[in-house]
Parts: sequence; structure tokens; C-alpha cells
Amino acid sequence: EVQVVESGGGLVQPGGSLRLSCTASGFTFSDRLVDWVRQAPGKGLEWVGRSRNKISSYTTEYAASVKGRFTLSRDDSKNSVYLQMNSLKTDDTAVYYCTRTGGAGYSDVWGQGTTVTVSS
Amino acid sequence: DIQMTQSPSTLSASVGDRLTITCRASENIITYLAWYQVRPGKAPKALIHKASTLESGVPSRFSGSGSGTEFTLTISSLQPDDFASYYCQQYNSYPLTFGGGTKVEI
Repeated sequence: EVQVVESGGGLVQPGGSLRLSCTASGFTFSDRLVDWVRQAPGKGLEWVGRSRNKISSYTTEYAASVKGRFTLSRDDSKNSVYLQMNSLKTDDTAVYYCTRTGGAGYSDVWGQGTTVTVSS
Repeated sequence: DIQMTQSPSTLSASVGDRLTITCRASENIITYLAWYQVRPGKAPKALIHKASTLESGVPSRFSGSGSGTEFTLTISSLQPDDFASYYCQQYNSYPLTFGGGTKVEI
């Protein structure tokens, strides 16, 4: 079964850090780009960033709202992508989804999400 | 950034109704548009990509159309499982952006 599973969410104080993990199975992970998308409580979907594959030199893209604070990395040997989140703000409170990209770059497979709460 | 404007934001409907949701892009995105369904407590689900290509396993009552800046998602006959929120997303250029969503209510 093709799936991605997120982990690592939790409660963190403003200014703190958290690392989310996304582990994939059921497909050739190293070929694929991986996106993170978040949904704050009562709000819509927001694209967070993209981790490209080896062919694309593992480059990354970020939304302006997280650039400089969040960092994406990946370990193809573990079929995993990591989202390191630093200098967290209350506005970062959301469910974070890991997604596999298909075709020209839309999210064709989604995980169940992991919840990040930034609060004092 | 490309702004995606969805309408309506909320839609009241009944089982069997035909629904149309509109998504407008602030710039030409050719056909690099996807539609997603989001239900509470469930993983979001891709319905359509490339504006009109149905994802495998998605019922044929869902269809998408459009190109350039105007796009539509149509549900030909609403079923109980379809009461959910729907989002469009452009993936033509960075940052990828979503529409504000349409909540389909009973």
C-alpha cells in the first residue's frame, strides 16, 4: 500500500523547536518530491515547502511564512523526509501533512497529519 | 505570488444535487491545477490534477474543467460522502498556493 506517515508533533513553547518526520512506504521514495502542507485550526490549507529528489540535487523550496525558520532534509535510505522547525510562533499551530508529489508537482498521496501546538 | 480565489466559500446542498465550485487564479497557470477533498479527521484526498484528470479511484461524478485563470469542479450528483471541504491548488509556480476552500454542507 502506498502511504506516508507523519510523526513528531506535540506541544512546544513559542521560540522553541520541533522536528517532524515523514516516512514513506509502498513506492520508490527516492524518485519522488515530497511536500509539507499545514492546516491551522479553522483555516484552509497552506503549502509549507518541498523537498526535491537526488536528480534535482535535493534542493528545497519554502513558503515565505516559514523561510529561514524551517528546514527540510531527507534520508532516502530510510525513506524519510524531515521538517526541522525552529523559532516557532503561535501562528505555526496546525496539523502538518506530508504529501507525495505526482505528475508535475501536485500532492497525490497524503498522510493523516501530525498536530503541532505552539503555546505557552 | 499567485492568488487563488474560490467561490462560494460555503454551499448548502442536498443528496442528488449538481454542484459547481469555481476557482480563479490571479495569473495564467495553464492547467496546473489540482482539486482536493478534506473531511474532518481524515487525510485530504486528491480528486483531480492537470485541471481535468481524475485521480484513480475517484468516482466519475467528479469532474474538472478550465485553463488559464478560470477553473471549475463539478459534482454531478451529490452523495452523502461528498459533504466535505474542497480546495483548489495551483502548482504552476512557487510558492504553491491554495484557494480558500469551499465547505459543502447539508
